[in-house]
Amino acid sequence: NAGVTQTPKFQVLKTGQSMTLQCAQDMNHNSMYWYRQDPGMGLRLIYYSASEGTTDKGEVPNGYNVSRLNKREFSLRLESAAPSQTSVYFCASSLTPGANTEAFFGQGTRLTVV
Amino acid sequence: DAKTTQPNSMESNEEEPVHLPCNHSTISGTDYIHWYRQLPSQGPEYVIHGLTSNVNNRMASLAIAEDRKSSTLILHRATLRDAAVYYCIPHNNNDMRFGAGTRLTVKP
Repeated sequence: NAGVTQTPKFQVLKTGQSMTLQCAQDMNHNSMYWYRQDPGMGLRLIYYSASEGTTDKGEVPNGYNVSRLNKREFSLRLESAAPSQTSVYFCASSLTPGANTEAFFGQGTRLTVV
Repeated sequence: DAKTTQPNSMESNEEEPVHLPCNHSTISGTDYIHWYRQLPSQGPEYVIHGLTSNVNNRMASLAIAEDRKSSTLILHRATLRDAAVYYCIPHNNNDMRFGAGTRLTVKP
């Protein structure tokens, strides 16, 4: 059981380049999330998808777009990368939306924008 | 969202119990209290959550104060693998707000 899989694990981008971070879960979960974690800080929610076909903004959505491709996959796109987006990105999933559930996290994508 | 206060760091000896405190005095009545931990270079890992009653699972116990303004995560016998940053997160929606957490060091 792989859980939550993120690709790539590492990426270096030049300012202005675009890229898509991929996330897939194999637990038949309804809800998926994208977080970022800056050095020495806690995670901050970028976007989430409570169920297939829906997406909503989190705490720090500016500069990002998301796509809930199907129930398994939730991608995060940076259209024009900036150095301020250098961070570790975590994808997570939960069986249901809301607070009475546990979230499972991927291993992260370490992104550096130069 | 409820504001939380956790110690920046704590130390424990291996095989001894650890009590990790969290103050959340502005918690709302519908907030569940979640605890996650993050080992070095890993994604966060769910530990436990509860609403009003104390909760136990294979990893830990969660003691919630009667007024719900504080809670304590209890690791019954700390191991070296328990060294991590522990986050206390009260929330009632899809947006979990991670603070700085408590960095737990376990000494052999």
